[in-house]
Amino acid sequence: SQTIHQWPATLVQPVGSPLSLECTVEGTSNPNLYWYRQAAGRGLQLLFYSVGIGQISSEVPQNLSASRPQDRQFILSSKKLLLSDSGFYLCAWGTNTGELFFGEGSRLTVL
Amino acid sequence: AQSVSQHNHHVILSEAASLELGCNYSYGGTVNLFWYVQYPGQHLQLLLKYFSGDPLVKGIKGFEAEFIKSKFSFNLRKPSVQWSDTAEYFCAVNLYSGGGADGLTFGKGTHLIIQP
Repeated sequence: SQTIHQWPATLVQPVGSPLSLECTVEGTSNPNLYWYRQAAGRGLQLLFYSVGIGQISSEVPQNLSASRPQDRQFILSSKKLLLSDSGFYLCAWGTNTGELFFGEGSRLTVL
Repeated sequence: AQSVSQHNHHVILSEAASLELGCNYSYGGTVNLFWYVQYPGQHLQLLLKYFSGDPLVKGIKGFEAEFIKSKFSFNLRKPSVQWSDTAEYFCAVNLYSGGGADGLTFGKGTHLIIQP
């Protein structure tokens, strides 16, 4: 069966520091991969998605970037974090019908 | 751009009460529809989904949803809620024409609290 893991689960970073959140999927090949941000009362906002290695689509202009160096690995990064980057980040893999399977999430606090 | 509206942001019910959470979407084309649930401290998981066919779909834990194309709605229902249904509920839509790859558009969520 397919599993998805993301880490770290929690992260506290100072403003201006870099960020790297990792996500890996097992049990499936060439999955569609996604990064969402969840904010209280605002639902889930799609940040990036990828349909293959090296293919990244950005949905919202951000201080963030994403990369897919391997088939089942998806990384969310920032060179310099802002206070507004604080939030709960969710990685997901998806089927071609749009159904998504989510990881446990990473809570980022920028101080 | 498509959007998803959930009418109730906070709902408080007593156990055994009936539940209906509203969801409307803005896109007029063919869509795939989903309800996700997030229990306290847990990750998002799928409650039910609609792709085609019978517009009344049944999901896990006694939940069901009805797709009404003319109203662009996909409301979630449960005849008798339990304390364990306390959670955040999200409606989501995917454009069929997008081939499923461009992700789901989510509503803002409904925080449901069931009082014992």
